[in-house]
Amino acid sequence: RKEVEQDPGPFNVPEGATVAFNCTYSNSASQSFFWYRQDCRKEPKLLMSVYSSGNEDGRFTAQLNRASQYISLLIRDSKLSDSATYLCVVNGKAAGNKLTFGGGTRVLVKP
Amino acid sequence: GAVVSQHPSWVICKSGTSVKIECRSLDFQATTMFWYRQFPKQSLMLMATSNEGSKATYEQGVEKDKFLINHASLTLSTLTVTSAHPEDSSFYICSAGGGLRGNQPQHFGDGTRLSIL
Repeated sequence: RKEVEQDPGPFNVPEGATVAFNCTYSNSASQSFFWYRQDCRKEPKLLMSVYSSGNEDGRFTAQLNRASQYISLLIRDSKLSDSATYLCVVNGKAAGNKLTFGGGTRVLVKP
Repeated sequence: GAVVSQHPSWVICKSGTSVKIECRSLDFQATTMFWYRQFPKQSLMLMATSNEGSKATYEQGVEKDKFLINHASLTLSTLTVTSAHPEDSSFYICSAGGGLRGNQPQHFGDGTRLSIL
């Protein structure tokens, strides 16, 4: 089983719609969680950190469920520019700063 | 603005050439930097952890004699792909940051696209 798993998609989303997807992690000792966005042939860019109580940044909402070991990302009012691959990233307690990446979920927003 | 700079962005060279990639932290000191490799349609795979002033820690399956890492200062780590072959063609990305306990996000360089002919 992979340490961090994501549905690869693609999620085809009409412009203006809401899309949500999850990421599961296997290490129960994981401490820090992040969503990164990666555009084609570019480096990952931080979208948002994920906090235990859940957090929102504009149209993006992230939640953490420690009991079931998953995090989620919800995008409201999707824009064409939201088309990208969303990477779930986890930092385990014993791993120091070493990050583990999910395979990414591809989102395609269409007019 | 960018906090981690990577150079060069794109390299095309002949098989057998050695290629050096630089990763710099621009406005902070990084005792640890990370090198990743990403093949098309795959996720980032950690290759090694670069430690300032000491040897790098390589992930399982990564040849340390093939991928030489030097972290001689608090703002610069270099990855040298020695005697590169076509199968080494990939997207190489470095990162730095993360805070002392790894609870802060890391920042990534722009990446280096390496093509070996």
